[in-house]
Amino acid sequence: AQKVTQAQTEISVVEKEDVTLDCVYETRDTTYYLFWYKQPPSGELVFLIRRNSFDEQNEISGRYSWNFQKSTSSFNFTITASQVVDSAVYFCALSVRIQTGANNLFFGTGTRLTVIP
Amino acid sequence: KAGVTQTPRYLIKTRGQQVTLSCSPISGHRSVSWYQQTPGQGLQFLFEYFSETQRNKGNFPGRFSGRQFSNSRSEMNVSTLELGDSALYLCASSQGQLASSYNSPLHFGNGTRLTVT
Repeated sequence: AQKVTQAQTEISVVEKEDVTLDCVYETRDTTYYLFWYKQPPSGELVFLIRRNSFDEQNEISGRYSWNFQKSTSSFNFTITASQVVDSAVYFCALSVRIQTGANNLFFGTGTRLTVIP
Repeated sequence: KAGVTQTPRYLIKTRGQQVTLSCSPISGHRSVSWYQQTPGQGLQFLFEYFSETQRNKGNFPGRFSGRQFSNSRSEMNVSTLELGDSALYLCASSQGQLASSYNSPLHFGNGTRLTVT
C-alpha cells in the first residue's frame, strides 16, 4: 500500500524567510513518481514538480528547490525568500504503476503555508 | 490552451437528490480523473477515465459514478446525496498514454463545491 505523510499541518513564516515542507512516503514498488502540487485559495491544484524514483538529483527552480532522498523516503520542498504569494496549501503525492497503467495518484494531507508580510 | 473547466462552480442540493458535475479537459488530454476534497479526508481519488473507459476506481460507494464522452469530456454523478458528500470535487486531466498515465502530471480545474443540506 502507498502512503504519503506530511506531518506539518500548518506553517507560518514571515516574508523573506526560508521554509521547508516535509514529505515522507511509503511504497514497496521500486518504480514510482513523486509530485508536489500547490493549492491557492482559488482551489485549483497547480503542478509544481515530478520526480521519478530513479532520479535522486535535487532540483532548483527559481526560489523553489526539492530534495529527494530515497534512503529516508523523503521528498522535501524548500521555498527560499518566501513571499506572500506563496501562501497556499501544498500537497505531496505519490504514484505507482498499476496493471491498467491508470492514474493512481495518492496525496498527502497537505501543509498550509501562510507567509506573513 | 484553455485549462480544465468544471461546471458548475457551486451547487446546493438536499439529501436524497442526485447531482451531475461536468468537466472539460485540456484539449488533447485523454485522461480525466476525479477527486473529492474534504477537510477531514483530504484529497481522495474517485475514478479515472481514458478513451471512454474507466481504468481505475477509488474506494467510494456505488452512488458515485462517472463517464467519459468521445470528446474526452467527463461527467460524474452522485445519487441519493448524503450530508457527507459535501465537498470540493476536482477534475484533472492529463495527456496520459494508452499504456500508462500514472506518471503524467495532472492539470486540475477549479472544482465544483457541492453543499448538501
